[in-house]
Amino acid sequence: QKEVEQDPGPLSVPEGAIVSLNCTYSNSAFQYFMWYRQYSRKGPELLMYTYSSGNKEDGRFTAQVDKSSKYISLFIRDSQPSDSATYLCAMSDRDDKIIFGKGTRLHILP
Amino acid sequence: NAGVTQTPKFRVLKTGQSMTLLCAQDMNHEYMYWYRQDPGMGLRLIHYSVGEGTTAKGEVPDGYNVSRLKKQNFLLGLESAAPSQTSVYFCASSNIATGGWNQPQHFGDGTRLSIL
Repeated sequence: QKEVEQDPGPLSVPEGAIVSLNCTYSNSAFQYFMWYRQYSRKGPELLMYTYSSGNKEDGRFTAQVDKSSKYISLFIRDSQPSDSATYLCAMSDRDDKIIFGKGTRLHILP
Repeated sequence: NAGVTQTPKFRVLKTGQSMTLLCAQDMNHEYMYWYRQDPGMGLRLIHYSVGEGTTAKGEVPDGYNVSRLKKQNFLLGLESAAPSQTSVYFCASSNIATGGWNQPQHFGDGTRLSIL
């Protein structure tokens, strides 16, 4: 069983829709959870960073962590064509390396 | 505000040739990393460094060497390039303000390397 699972997509949604991106994981020791956005031919950039369970909101983005289910989500409200990118989840415990998901490709259709 | 800068951005090599990829960061970060990203494989850690003068192996270190002679620079070397090393290489850095691996990583824009 891989440590972090992420659906590769592509996921295509119309502009203005709410997008839900998800990752599941197997290591219950993970406490730090991140979402990165990667545009084509660019490096990943940090979008959201959360510790332990709960929600965190930043503008149109909401990160949600459910440690009991080992499941994290990223919601994008009022999606825009500029949100088209690959989204990588990442997670770690304090003492070991960050593990990245393989990424979900998202297309927002104008 | 440059962040993490990688050079070169693109390179084509012949099998057996050697080259060095350079990563420079201006954020005074302690930790630095080299990843490769291949379709369907995600980001895979090659080598990393937790401070000047120290390096360690990651998930896929074979065929690569690294050096961290200065805190701001992390070099990745390919001694004898192979077609299997065709990939996009990313350098990243992170702070250790609270210690440990939990700090987010800041990435460069990658080096696209083709081995013929």
